[in-house]
Amino acid sequence: DVQLVESGGGLVQPGGSLRLSCTASGFTFSSYEMNWVRQAPGKGLEWVSYISSSGSTIYYSDSVKGRFTISRDNAKNSLYLQMNSLRAEDTAVYYCARGGVMFDWYFDYWGQGTLVTVSS
Amino acid sequence: QSALTQPASVSGSPGQSITISCTGTSSDVGGYNYVSWYQQHPGKAPKLMISDVSNRPSGVSNRFSGSKSGNTASLTISGLQAEDEADYYCSSYTISSSVVFGGGTKLTVL
Repeated sequence: DVQLVESGGGLVQPGGSLRLSCTASGFTFSSYEMNWVRQAPGKGLEWVSYISSSGSTIYYSDSVKGRFTISRDNAKNSLYLQMNSLRAEDTAVYYCARGGVMFDWYFDYWGQGTLVTVSS
Repeated sequence: QSALTQPASVSGSPGQSITISCTGTSSDVGGYNYVSWYQQHPGKAPKLMISDVSNRPSGVSNRFSGSKSGNTASLTISGLQAEDEADYYCSSYTISSSVVFGGGTKLTVL
């Protein structure tokens, strides 16, 4: 079975940093595009970032560009999100979501999410 | 990139059909066949219901169908069941190499 397990969330002060991880199993991780999607408390879904299967192509939403960095380690079946200069508006549940194999823009498997709270 | 426009809420009785609309622009919904729909129950992760406008993933009930006309995509649920009560989100690839979601629609089964 496909499984995505996020970790690394927690409470951080404004301006601080946090690194999220997503460990994948049950599929050939290196063949799939991956994404981060977040959801602020009581709000809708917001796409955050995309990384191609090889890691050579990366996209970010305007709201996190320049502050967040997505990366992956295919040898470790892991996806990461380095979050710097965190703001209160970054408070959300962050989901790791699997994309397709080649320029596919749907998310067919999601992790359970990890909560990031930015507050002093 | 502005969020896609969805109705805040829709409702229907068991057995009825409902349609949720998702309106964007020619830079997203209208420009690409990369519209997806997700179902989210409270406290749970979203679940993919429709990909690429009208493709239903394996395991998703054939009561769910998707379509698109111009800048508006639609999700239709036929034969409403109590378990369909959830939030529904559309998404689309955009001309800016990003993904935009709709604001979400709360479906109530009366």
